[in-house]
Amino acid sequence: EVQLVQSGAEVKKPGESLRISCKGSGYSFTSYWISWVRQMPGKGLEWMGRIDPSDSYTNYSPSFQGHVTISADKSISTAYLQWSSLKASDTAMYYCAKIQPTRGMDVWGQGTTVTVSS
Amino acid sequence: QSVLTQPPSVSGAPGQRVTISCTGSSSNIGAGYDVHWYQQLPGTAPKLLIYGNSNRPSGVPDRFSGSKSGTSASLAITGLQAEDEADYYCQSYDSSLSGLFGGGTKLTVL
Repeated sequence: EVQLVQSGAEVKKPGESLRISCKGSGYSFTSYWISWVRQMPGKGLEWMGRIDPSDSYTNYSPSFQGHVTISADKSISTAYLQWSSLKASDTAMYYCAKIQPTRGMDVWGQGTTVTVSS
Repeated sequence: QSVLTQPPSVSGAPGQRVTISCTGSSSNIGAGYDVHWYQQLPGTAPKLLIYGNSNRPSGVPDRFSGSKSGTSASLAITGLQAEDEADYYCQSYDSSLSGLFGGGTKLTVL
């Protein structure tokens, strides 16, 4: 079964750093891009960026460029989303999704809730 | 404000047909980029509903259909069922290959 399993919920303070993960299984991890999507409480989906796990080439939305870092470790089939200094406005659910070329994001992780509060 | 514009809400009675529009521009949908649609049931992760403008993944009922014309796309749902009550999102790309989502449409089954 093709699946993406994300790391668990996080509660952090403003200014702290964080890295959440997304582990792929059941398919060739390096053959498909992984995207990250934010959903703030009660709001819609926002595309943050994507990574090609085969060479770690990344493509960010202008809205998120410089605010987060997307990376991957193909040896363990895992993609990451990282913040160096969290803000309260980063409180959201974050999803990773496997991108099938021309076929959209066909497999989604279960989501990771990030809460940033003092 | 999303680059792809969707109506905030639509509604219909069981058995009826509803459509959800997704309006973009010549920089995204109109530039030839495919449109995909996702369904998000309450409290769950989004699910791919339509890919490549009009194609259904395996397991998606044929009550769901998609189309694209010019700078817009549409999702149609026929034979509405209570279980279709969800949020629906269109998605495409722009010329920098940055992904774009519509603002989402909440479907209420009356």
